[in-house]
Amino acid sequence: ELKVEQNPLFLSMQEGKNYTIYCNYSTTSDRLYWYRQDPGKSLESLFVLLSNGAVKQEGRLMASLDTKARLSTLHITAAVHDLSATYFCAVDYRGSTLGRLYFGRGTQLTVWP
Amino acid sequence: ETGVTQSPTHLIKTRGQQVTLRCSSQSGHNTVSWYQQALGQGPQFIFQYYREEENGRGNFPPRFSGLQFPNYSSELNVNALELDDSALYLCASSSLAEGTGELFFGEGSRLTVL
Repeated sequence: ELKVEQNPLFLSMQEGKNYTIYCNYSTTSDRLYWYRQDPGKSLESLFVLLSNGAVKQEGRLMASLDTKARLSTLHITAAVHDLSATYFCAVDYRGSTLGRLYFGRGTQLTVWP
Repeated sequence: ETGVTQSPTHLIKTRGQQVTLRCSSQSGHNTVSWYQQALGQGPQFIFQYYREEENGRGNFPPRFSGLQFPNYSSELNVNALELDDSALYLCASSSLAEGTGELFFGEGSRLTVL
């Protein structure tokens, strides 16, 4: 079964700093998704990465995908408090049901002043 | 555009009881997937429905069952509830034709089994 590992699982960072969250997965996949979840809330889609080398940016967040290394990164630039949330990466196993996603355990991000 | 809606938002059941959770998909989406999210974990795929048929199932026992209706709304039924079934149940809709596999999630139904 496809395994998805995120690290770190907990991240506490000061406003204005930069950091990267890593997502490794165990089996060939061409599709990777990043979601954000606020406490007690649902998952909000952030990025959809559909090919090797894909890079997407939205505000202070940038996501990239290296399918050869089976690695995606979510880079945070100049963090602000509003980015505090849990971030999940999810992978769509090639050949499986489209929409059947395997999620990592999530990275709980806290941004402090 | 109407998003994914789920009901109820919270419910409490006792072991052995049965529960039905409901989901209305986002406008224009014909596929519904259900996920279970235990506390502190990522969501786990339960099953997916497309054209009123189950279209893929995760590692969940048969007491987890579902339905999809002609209007693409869906139900998740869980029989013989166990304590470990306590979780947030998330419904997600998508359009297979759109091709990206991107899922749009509802707010979830938080089930507590006592």
